[in-house]
Amino acid sequence: ETGVTQTPRHLVMGMTNKKSLKCEQHLGHNAMYWYKQSAKKPLELMFVYSLEERVENNSVPSRFSPECPNSSHLFLHLHTLQPEDSALYLCASSQVRVGGLANEQFFGPGTRLTVL
Amino acid sequence: GQQVMQIPQYQHVQEGEDFTTYCNSSTTLSNIQWYKQRPGGHPVFLIQLVKSGEVKKQKRLTFQFGEAKKNSSLHITATQTTDVGTYFCANDMRFGAGTRLTVKP
Repeated sequence: ETGVTQTPRHLVMGMTNKKSLKCEQHLGHNAMYWYKQSAKKPLELMFVYSLEERVENNSVPSRFSPECPNSSHLFLHLHTLQPEDSALYLCASSQVRVGGLANEQFFGPGTRLTVL
Repeated sequence: GQQVMQIPQYQHVQEGEDFTTYCNSSTTLSNIQWYKQRPGGHPVFLIQLVKSGEVKKQKRLTFQFGEAKKNSSLHITATQTTDVGTYFCANDMRFGAGTRLTVKP
């Protein structure tokens, strides 16, 4: 148990559905991340939130929409996804110090998403 | 963060053999982190290296950061079946492709 929880753990959705992935961290960290992990590609950084502000968006299609209402919660809203979006979506958190080095990331268990 | 290249992609060893995975960058890295992901699990932080030429050990695992801070390695001595998994290096949120280690008992 890393102190980062994700729900649901598994999700099957059609291309016309709208769903949301939830991540919660209990570590008091100030940064949260979404990663995509598929068989064909290594861990892909999707979004970064630091102090509840989005600081990075790595050319992710608009059908993925992140939301960070506070430092403990992170959502990934999904709509009109494609079959190639099927993957393991991992959330992570870390404590970022201004001007300091990147600290270790704590990952949640992930949501296994299947798009039909 | 800089993109890091990792080799090999796969490594299969007999239990008791040693294992090494390498991480390389074309530019100088501020730091390098190593993670392990067990099959069906999520990445778990192992260690962070910051200084040029740094060497750190964790039991049978030895981590090195190159003098030029452009490469790093993870070496496992006398592998055990519990070492099975994928080992990733990372620099500032950017992960290498990982090396998947399998160990034959």
